[in-house]
Amino acid sequence: KAGVTQTPRYLIKTRGQQVTLSCSPISGHRSVSWYQQTPGQGLQFLFEYFSETQRNKGNFPGRFSGRQFSNSRSEMNVSTLELGDSALYLCASRTGGRYDTEAFFGQGTRLTVV
Amino acid sequence: SQQGEEDPQALSIQEGENATMNCSYKTSINNLQWYRQNSGRGLVHLILIRSNEREKHSGRLRVTLDTSKKSSSLLITASRAADTASYFCATSSGNTPLVFGKGTRLSVIA
Repeated sequence: KAGVTQTPRYLIKTRGQQVTLSCSPISGHRSVSWYQQTPGQGLQFLFEYFSETQRNKGNFPGRFSGRQFSNSRSEMNVSTLELGDSALYLCASRTGGRYDTEAFFGQGTRLTVV
Repeated sequence: SQQGEEDPQALSIQEGENATMNCSYKTSINNLQWYRQNSGRGLVHLILIRSNEREKHSGRLRVTLDTSKKSSSLLITASRAADTASYFCATSSGNTPLVFGKGTRLSVIA
């Protein structure tokens, strides 16, 4: 069974640009969550999608957005990039809707904003 | 704000020794989970302990949970160099997203 796949693995962008990251969950998983990881703030929850609907959103500005497709694949978009957006972005998938079950993480996308 | 707080922030031990990491949290939970992260990579689920459980084992891992003190500990016995990683606790009440602590960086020296 294939794991969670995130693409691309590494990305370098310039301030002001926008970026789209992709996450393909484990087959059959309907929930995809996104996290931002930085040395200073640790792992912070961005948002979660379940059956194409955003169920929860973390405390991030509107520049951060996402969506989920009918095949459960998810994308997140960051517009007007800032230096502080440099981070490891992780997505995690679950089988069902409850958060208190095991989450399966992808390898992450390392975004560097210059 | 972070729900879980791991202690210590960093731990360095010799191969073969035991490693103990602690996690404290603030609100009621359904369960507590521990994850491992190798440098710059994704998190791997290690173990889940439910709020009505006090202790759980998985291989060389032993997790305890004390809901009265809102704390948990992860013990790795007979550590190996391959255990070198960051370890995170994460809590959820079921309807709220997992909230992670900042992790404990474990270094196992061969």
